[in-house]
Amino acid sequence: LAKTTQPISMDSYEGQEVNITCSHNNIATNDYITWYQQFPSQGPRFIIQGYKTKVTNEVASLFIPADRKSSTLSLPRVSLSDTAVYYCLLNQAGTALIFGKGTTLSVSS
Amino acid sequence: AAGVIQSPRHLIKEKRETATLKCYPIPRHDTVYWYQQGPGQDPQFLISFYEKMQSDKGSIPDRFSAQQFSDYHSELNMSSLELGDSALYFCASSLGYLDTNGYTFGSGTRLTVV
Repeated sequence: LAKTTQPISMDSYEGQEVNITCSHNNIATNDYITWYQQFPSQGPRFIIQGYKTKVTNEVASLFIPADRKSSTLSLPRVSLSDTAVYYCLLNQAGTALIFGKGTTLSVSS
Repeated sequence: AAGVIQSPRHLIKEKRETATLKCYPIPRHDTVYWYQQGPGQDPQFLISFYEKMQSDKGSIPDRFSAQQFSDYHSELNMSSLELGDSALYFCASSLGYLDTNGYTFGSGTRLTVV
């Protein structure tokens, strides 16, 4: 049973803001929400992690509503190099990350 | 900054042979993970170690085994290789399972079984 659900694919243009929403209706109290980016033939790269409300770093923002049943990764002003697969994962102490189906983001000029 | 080092980068083996993949985590990281990613597939968790002890197990075949050594490097041993084992194998490391900097993945070992 998938722990998270996210769109299979998204398209965008350079300079636009991209928001990828992830559903996790059965999130546990001790789950953190984490996002990774993966380019072809490369290992996944950590983007951001949060527990509730909003988290922002130099590359993205993560919005988590009060009920934590969903989250939204926001990528400001994407470029061609942001074309990649984005994974939404639930992370908790003592257990490894389990990757599900990610979102393939295609950015065009 | 130091990264996760995996060796070899590429490996070609014949069916029924054995293979050993090595992983050197980031210094001071105490948790190591192994993932397998087949062509067009998402990464599949195999096994993880925390402080040199196996701590979580995923879909690792019985033909595979792994261990973490006193210097924290880890090795994934694969026996009786099958064509279906052809994949990218990633190692990752972190400071605990909830590292605020996430897991750091290596560049992977591409295993081809012929």
